[in-house]
Amino acid sequence: QQQVKQSPQSLIVQKGGISIINCAYENTAFDYFPWYQQFPGKGPALLIAIRPDVSEKKEGRFTISFNKSAKQFSLHIMDSQPGDSATYFCAAQRDDKIIFGKGTRLHILP
Amino acid sequence: DAGVIQSPRHEVTEMGQEVTLRCKPISGHNSLFWYRQTMMRGLELLIYFNNNVPIDDSGMPEDRFSAKMPNASFSTLKIQPSEPRDSAVYFCASSFMSGAQGEQYFGPGTRLTVT
Repeated sequence: QQQVKQSPQSLIVQKGGISIINCAYENTAFDYFPWYQQFPGKGPALLIAIRPDVSEKKEGRFTISFNKSAKQFSLHIMDSQPGDSATYFCAAQRDDKIIFGKGTRLHILP
Repeated sequence: DAGVIQSPRHEVTEMGQEVTLRCKPISGHNSLFWYRQTMMRGLELLIYFNNNVPIDDSGMPEDRFSAKMPNASFSTLKIQPSEPRDSAVYFCASSFMSGAQGEQYFGPGTRLTVT
């Protein structure tokens, strides 16, 4: 049973455009929702995270939108740059345990 | 700090052989995680330790897999005997838990190929 569903699997965006990745979770016990970014040959690294008592969190060009009632959240990358090309994982966390989505491979065209 | 250190970075072995993956967490971190990443299944948590004690091993696929953490600075993941379907990238991550969620810091991974 997939506890965190992520879409799309892959995404191609023009430089300067907005990249949007969506996730949905099932277990309401999760209380922390991080996004991890992974470059080829590297381990994932925390990009941005949100708690469910907040509807939006913005850090630079990266924004998480959170809809608690729908159990959905999304990552928006504004003014996407070629350096943003990577695989992005949404996740749902409670205490130490993180459940990851299957990832979105993002490619930004120069 | 050097970050999470994993060895070897690449391992190629034949089916039936024993494989041991090693991890050194970030100094001062009290939680350690082993993940497996494949194209089909994504990033899966295999097992995690808190203060060197295994807390949740429900993700360990079968008895062929075992993990140990003899001290705060070292952990191993062993597969015996290995099978071709074990081919994947194995990541170790560590975090510091202090009553709230801690960021997990991932190592560079070990790419395992079982032929």
